[in-house]
Amino acid sequence: ETGVTQSPTHLIKTRGQQVTLRCSSQSGHNTVSWYQQALGQGPQFIFQYYREEENGRGNFPPRFSGLQFPNYSSELNVNALELDDSALYLCASWSSGANVLTFGAGSRLTVL
Amino acid sequence: AQSVTQPDIHITVSEGASLELRCNYSYGATPYLFWYVQSPGQGLQLLLKYFSGDTLVQGIKGFEAEFKRSQSSFNLRKPSVHWSDAAEYFCAVGAGNNDMRFGAGTRLTVKP
Repeated sequence: ETGVTQSPTHLIKTRGQQVTLRCSSQSGHNTVSWYQQALGQGPQFIFQYYREEENGRGNFPPRFSGLQFPNYSSELNVNALELDDSALYLCASWSSGANVLTFGAGSRLTVL
Repeated sequence: AQSVTQPDIHITVSEGASLELRCNYSYGATPYLFWYVQSPGQGLQLLLKYFSGDTLVQGIKGFEAEFKRSQSSFNLRKPSVHWSDAAEYFCAVGAGNNDMRFGAGTRLTVKP
């Protein structure tokens, strides 16, 4: 049973548009990470936020940006969408007590 | 740089047979190692984790994994597979909550 919820579950955009994906993580989990999972691939780390500040980033361009809010929710924003951005985007919150990432079910983005 | 290799893209086993999924990692220090399972259209569920101590770790759903430092491996095993185990399995390595690296996954098919 996951405590991380994501919205929307599916969406379709066209190339050049912008998208915002949302995540609500478990209460008390101050760290949230975002991952991109392309079809047939493992998840790739995009970035991480801790107490509303970005404190780690993978090999993704600046058009991928994020926000974290005090109520444990967060956003992933992607500008100037490209066809290769089509993927499942996973949000995960970190439990420092158990030292594990808990993932949401993901938002599947299709870029046409 | 840390990385994970899952040599088997797809494995098929008969229901009731034993299972072993391979995972090799590259990491400069003592790694945190994880196995996650993903059902179609779903997020990732943690099966088990290894941080230190006993090299044989038990997880949920009857899975276990053995850490072998000399072989840089963390293979996942189950003595008797059930049809509901059909899914994608991901091995991951990290030093904590930042930039966890995932393998490309192994898809498990279970024959009746």
